[in-house]
Amino acid sequence: GAVVSQHPSRVICKSGTSVKIECRSLDFQATTMFWYRQFPKQSLMLMATSNEGSKATYEQGVEKDKFLINHASLTLSTLTVTSAHPEDSSFYICSARDRNSPLHFGNGTRLTVT
Amino acid sequence: AQSVAQPEDQVNVAEGNPLTVKCTYSVSGNPYLFWYVQYPNRGLQFLLKYITGDNLVKGSYGFEAEFNKSQTSFHLKKPSALVSDSALYFCAVRDFGNQFYFGTGTSLTVIP
Repeated sequence: GAVVSQHPSRVICKSGTSVKIECRSLDFQATTMFWYRQFPKQSLMLMATSNEGSKATYEQGVEKDKFLINHASLTLSTLTVTSAHPEDSSFYICSARDRNSPLHFGNGTRLTVT
Repeated sequence: AQSVAQPEDQVNVAEGNPLTVKCTYSVSGNPYLFWYVQYPNRGLQFLLKYITGDNLVKGSYGFEAEFNKSQTSFHLKKPSALVSDSALYFCAVRDFGNQFYFGTGTSLTVIP
């Protein structure tokens, strides 16, 4: 079945540094990729939608300059958290789909900013 | 506006008993409905979907869900719960714009 690989699974960084998270679709071409943030015991919060070759569409309240999303190819999207702060600590999940599939999710990235 | 509601934050059930996780939706037109399961510190795994056809949909791990158009519900069910079913379950709907809307999740605990 379709697999989405997300890397890294855990990352700890110092406040003020930037962190890049990768999301790859391994056996299908992901026309659309989504980035979610999940707070403890809460549902997924959609951050942005990215379509290959075009700029990401950010949800209201999500800072596009802080959460940089690149979808350079049909199999890879990246989320870069720039100048990270402790309040950015969270669980970030990517998902991807081609035209006819349900969403397939990565295993998530636990970001801790110290 | 499209929305999904999971009215129960927490469901507890004894091992071997049937389980139900509730979901209701509001969407324009015919809905595409999904259930996902999330284990601790993991992403979401697809369980099953309803697009069209038979109202009773069977999915992974023995789960099934029944689409009820009149009640706008898509409850997840399993005849006999396992301890390993304990996880967080999300109902989702996809609209014609391909936007997914997730419920707030229901934490299922199966008690040995």
